[in-house]
Amino acid sequence: EVQLVESGGGLVQSGRSLRLSCATSGFTFDNYAMHWVRQAPGKGLEWVSGINWNSDIVAYADSVKGRFTISRDNATNSLYLQMNSLRPEDTALYYCAKDVNGWDLKGGLDYWGQGTLVTVSS
Amino acid sequence: QSVLTQPPSASGTPGQRVTISCSASSSNIGRNYVFWYQQFPGTAPKLLIYENNQRPSGVPDRFSGSKSGTSASLAISGLRSEDEADYYCAAWDDSLSGYVVFGGGTKLTVL
Repeated sequence: EVQLVESGGGLVQSGRSLRLSCATSGFTFDNYAMHWVRQAPGKGLEWVSGINWNSDIVAYADSVKGRFTISRDNATNSLYLQMNSLRPEDTALYYCAKDVNGWDLKGGLDYWGQGTLVTVSS
Repeated sequence: QSVLTQPPSASGTPGQRVTISCSASSSNIGRNYVFWYQQFPGTAPKLLIYENNQRPSGVPDRFSGSKSGTSASLAISGLRSEDEADYYCAAWDDSLSGYVVFGGGTKLTVL
């Protein structure tokens, strides 16, 4: 059974940092690209960042470029999101999601975690 | 970065056929696959349609997707009360360094 479990969320002041983690199991992690998608309270889905199987391809939404860094550790089947210079508008539930593809970031997201809540206070 | 345009709401009665549209530009839907996600309140999204019109295993054939040019649509036939949810389209956008773009979401109400 595929499982994605996010952690690392919490309440943080504007300008501070957080590191999110996503522990995965039930599939061959280093065969697939992975993504972070967020959802602000009562709002729609917003893609944040993606990374392909070997970290050769990474991409970011404009809203987080230069502040967030995605990474992965294929040895421990884990995905990370380092979030610096946090802003109140970054407040959201952050989902980790698996891509159906490995090489690029263009595939659909076929498995999602339950999310970890990040709240940034001003 | 651009967004995909969806109607904010849609509705239908049980048994009806409902369609949800998704439109954008040539740099995303026009060149790449469209995906559809279903999300119930308080739960994670679920992949409903991939590669424009393919259903993952377990998704009923009442759900179908299509794409033409820079527009796509999700059709739900034989509408059921349990289909009441939020629906999002998504696609890869080739502009700049590339990114995933989501639609704003459509809340489907079964009357």
